[in-house]
Amino acid sequence: GEDVEQSLFLSVREGDSSVINCTYTDSSSTYLYWYKQEPGAGLQLLTYIFSNMDMKQDQRLTVLLNKKDKHLSLRIADTQTGDSAIYFCAESYLNSGNTPLVFGKGTRLSVIA
Amino acid sequence: SAVISQKPSRDICQRGTSLTIQCQVDSQVTMMFWYRQQPGQSLTLIATANQGSEATYESGFVIDKFPISRPNLTFSTLTVSNMSPEDSSIYLCSVFESDTEAFFGQGTRLTVV
Repeated sequence: GEDVEQSLFLSVREGDSSVINCTYTDSSSTYLYWYKQEPGAGLQLLTYIFSNMDMKQDQRLTVLLNKKDKHLSLRIADTQTGDSAIYFCAESYLNSGNTPLVFGKGTRLSVIA
Repeated sequence: SAVISQKPSRDICQRGTSLTIQCQVDSQVTMMFWYRQQPGQSLTLIATANQGSEATYESGFVIDKFPISRPNLTFSTLTVSNMSPEDSSIYLCSVFESDTEAFFGQGTRLTVV
């Protein structure tokens, strides 16, 4: 079965880089996602990567995928206090679209000014 | 990105009553997904709602407790029936755009007292 693991907490200083890690077990995962959830809010799609890619960069966000080790990471450059939130890693595990996502438990990022 | 409106955004309900949550999407979508996020937890899929057919429920969720309607391609409702304090959660609906990007509503924060 599918399982997505994340560390629960991360604390960084403002201006530093944050790296949030995620491991997954299903090798048939096709897309892997990162979502941000701020207090009292829904989930905001930050970025996603197709499983045949190694890296994807979008402004301050860099996603790295190591398919051999089933390891996904999200790097946030120049972390700001507004980046404080819970970050969820998620995978879709079938080859067709429109399949529900499997989520990790979320990493709570705290940014210290 | 798809715009998803959920109503209500929050509610406090008495145990034994029912609450119907509405999800409206600004475009036609084949499937809509309903998730539950219990306090401090990750997202768990409740069911998948296809227009014109009965919803498909995940293990641990039953139609009598969480009836779902899907009258057209832009709208769905989830009812939480005969509520108990254990049903206190955030309930979120989700749709895919372009088969790869999964978007979420802002969620309905339910407290059962």
